[in-house]
Amino acid sequence: NAGVMQNPRHLVRRRGQEARLRCSPMKGHSHVYWYRQLPEEGLKFMVYLQKENIIDESGMPKERFSAEFPKEGPSILRIQQVVRGDSAAYFCASSPPNSQPGQNAWSQYFGPGTRLLVL
Amino acid sequence: LAKTTQPISMDSYEGQEVNITCSHNNIATNDYITWYQQFPSQGPRFIIQGYKTKVTNEVASLFIPADRKSSTLSLPRVSLSDTAVYYCLVGDRLAGNTGKLIFGQGTTLQVKP
Repeated sequence: NAGVMQNPRHLVRRRGQEARLRCSPMKGHSHVYWYRQLPEEGLKFMVYLQKENIIDESGMPKERFSAEFPKEGPSILRIQQVVRGDSAAYFCASSPPNSQPGQNAWSQYFGPGTRLLVL
Repeated sequence: LAKTTQPISMDSYEGQEVNITCSHNNIATNDYITWYQQFPSQGPRFIIQGYKTKVTNEVASLFIPADRKSSTLSLPRVSLSDTAVYYCLVGDRLAGNTGKLIFGQGTTLQVKP
């Protein structure tokens, strides 16, 4: 059972370009979360998606950032017109459908991350 | 979600027991305490979760006093490979369904030979 997969693992972009980060959740997981980790800081929640729906985007910057989780295919975090401050590690996590009694609800499984460097 | 406070960093030597304490004075009745581990260049990994008293698994133990305003993650006989950042999170056990895990700065544990 493969874990959460993210690609690319490393991405280099010049200022003004677009960055697309992909996340394939674990098999059977229908919830996807994106977090950003700036150097020397903890992870910051960005967005929570279910298939074809954005549930909570309270952590997403208002401009240039968007996320989707289509019916088919991976979840995509898209950053338009990147700036140097966007350089960070972006982690995706997934979890199974709503918790069942006895199931650990904090069951978010994290991917290896995509390290974005903006030159 | 309750705010947590933990030491920024700790040093230890191989073979020692390491205890990392987390303060969460405003913990709510429905809140659980969860610890994650993050190695360099990797995503966080769930270690252990508890509500009260003591929880033990193959990786660690979690001690929670009666007032639940703090908790202690205990790592027995650490090795160099336990060098990582350890995060304490507090929130409603079902909060995972709302998606928002809130990570603080974490505690950077450095294990020395």
